[in-house]
Order: sequence, then structure tokens, then C-alpha cells
Amino acid sequence: SQKIEQNSEALNIQEGKTATLTCNYTNYSPAYLQWYRQDPGRGPVFLLLIRENEKEKRKERLKVTFDTTLKQSLFHITASQPADSATYLCALDGVGSGNTGKLIFGQGTTLQVKP
Amino acid sequence: DAGVIQSPRHEVTEMGQEVTLRCKPISGHNSLFWYRQTMMRGLELLIYFNNNVPIDDSGMPEDRFSAKMPNASFSTLKIQPSEPRDSAVYFCATSERSEQFFGPGTRLTVL
Repeated sequence: SQKIEQNSEALNIQEGKTATLTCNYTNYSPAYLQWYRQDPGRGPVFLLLIRENEKEKRKERLKVTFDTTLKQSLFHITASQPADSATYLCALDGVGSGNTGKLIFGQGTTLQVKP
Repeated sequence: DAGVIQSPRHEVTEMGQEVTLRCKPISGHNSLFWYRQTMMRGLELLIYFNNNVPIDDSGMPEDRFSAKMPNASFSTLKIQPSEPRDSAVYFCATSERSEQFFGPGTRLTVL
């Protein structure tokens, strides 16, 4: 069955540094991968989508890479700020999702940026 | 648009009672998803609809859970009878293409 792994331990970094979060998956070849941000008490918020034929995607201070050989995505936040502190979830399109957009989510990694 | 609307935001009930969670999707979004989130299991997909039709309910844990989408503007998730292990945050999300838009969630506590 599909399996998605994200670092379960919280990531603590200093303000201004680059945060790098990892998402690994097995037993599947997704057409695309998405990253979401979730703040306490709120629903996840979509950040970026990267397709299988794309190596890298950027949006402001965010960068996502997608290595289909390693079955891994890296999510980078450059010049991190305390406001970036949140839980970040990666998600893959589910088997047989077709155009319905079914997603399978990882457990998420909590990022804490210290001033 | 107000985004995805869920009600109630909090629900506390006793074991054995029926619980109904409600969701109003973003207008024009043709896919609707119900998720459950717990610390132990993370965000789990329960069921999703496409154009008001249930497509995949393989994530529904038991027959105690049921979901309906009578029209494009409304969906319900019902638990009958509820059990303490159903305590979780339940999210509704909708999409037009690939990215999903989540509601604020309903925090359910079953005593």
C-alpha cells in the first residue's frame, strides 16, 4: 500500500536560516505532490503543487523539489521567520484518483522558527 | 466567497448518541472530501464525492459512519451510534482542480 513518511520530530531552526523538510513515499508513482501548511486549530492550507515531470517549483520564499527516482520531495523555506512556525504536510494524489483529486497525506512535520 | 463552512465547530456528546456534521462547499467546486485528524493517525480520508456522487468510501471506519451529499451546496457526515474512539477533528475540504480548500473543522468529543 502507499506509504508517506515525514519527519515526526519537530524541526527547530533560527530565524533567517533555511528550513528543509522531507517527504518520502513508497509503493507508488504519483502524478503530483502537494504541500500544505496547518496552524493549530485550523484546517490545512494549500501552498504548492509539483508535477512528476517537474524537478523544482518556487513561490516567493518557498521551494519544492520532486525526485521521482528517489521517491522524495524536499520543501525549503528560505530566510525563515517566526511566522513560518507551523506543521507542514505533504500529500500525494491517491491511486485511482483520476481527476477527482483524492489525496493521501503524510503525518506532517512541525517547524519552529526561533527569533 | 466565505470558503468552506463547517458546523458545528465543537461538539461534545455522550457515547451512543447520534452526531451529524455539516459542510457547505465553496461554490463551483465539484469535489468534496471528508477527513478525520487525530494525533495518532494524522489526517485520514474518510470519503469523497465528485459531482455529488460518492466515489470512494473505503476510508469510512465502520457502518456507524455515513455521508451524504444531496446537492452541490451541502454535505453531512453522520455517526450513529458514536463511541469515545470517534473523538477527533473532522475536516471537510473541496476542490475544483487539484488543490484542496479545507474548512475550519469540527472538534468532536465523545464522552
